[in-house]
Amino acid sequence: EIVLTQSPGTLSLSPGERATLSCRASQRIGSDYLAWYQQKAGQAPRLLIYSTSRRATGVPERFSGSGSGTGFTLTVSRLEPEDFAVYYCQLYGASLTWTFGQGTRVEIK
Amino acid sequence: QLQLQESGPGLVKPSETLSLTCTVSGGSISSNSHYWGWIRQPPEKGLEWIGSVYYSGSTYYNPSLKSRITMSVDTSKNQFSLKLNSVTAADTAVYYCASLKVEPPYYYHVDVWGKGTAVTVSS
Repeated sequence: EIVLTQSPGTLSLSPGERATLSCRASQRIGSDYLAWYQQKAGQAPRLLIYSTSRRATGVPERFSGSGSGTGFTLTVSRLEPEDFAVYYCQLYGASLTWTFGQGTRVEIK
Repeated sequence: QLQLQESGPGLVKPSETLSLTCTVSGGSISSNSHYWGWIRQPPEKGLEWIGSVYYSGSTYYNPSLKSRITMSVDTSKNQFSLKLNSVTAADTAVYYCASLKVEPPYYYHVDVWGKGTAVTVSS
């Protein structure tokens, strides 16, 4: 079973700053199988990035994804007030299983 | 536009069975590019995939929950369901039903989420 580990647990930044979130897999994974979601309090998660780097419909260009092998990154180039939320990475794995990282909270400094 | 809506009791007693149904609207549950899944989130914690079902009835479960889960699909009603037996307080969570898009080469993600339903396990 592949485990996804996100870091840091919490990121304290100011609006306008760059956010870099990490998702590390315990084994090499195919880049097509890695997605990122944003979740705000009291809401269901929202898809941001799929296939490591493809932005979902309606997602602003300030969100970008990259990575390969075991290391993947979600970057928010300039944080807007609405970007402060929790972010999860997700893997589609063997035997049609789905795994989530434990999340990174981006909070206002 | 695809929409999903969970329904079921918000309170379940310990040792009993949690039963939830998800109604799919705006699209067919018989899609060959989607699996239908349940994902839960305990209070103040992260997301946990519970299991998925295909329109054919094939099921895929989280190994950590497999012994307690039954999922099914009713194509005539455009619904799928979850039963989780022998519940304890650790099963208290918001339960989301979700549309899991699986379409090579790029699409392996949750494309639509239900709003979620809070389930508390307590006597």
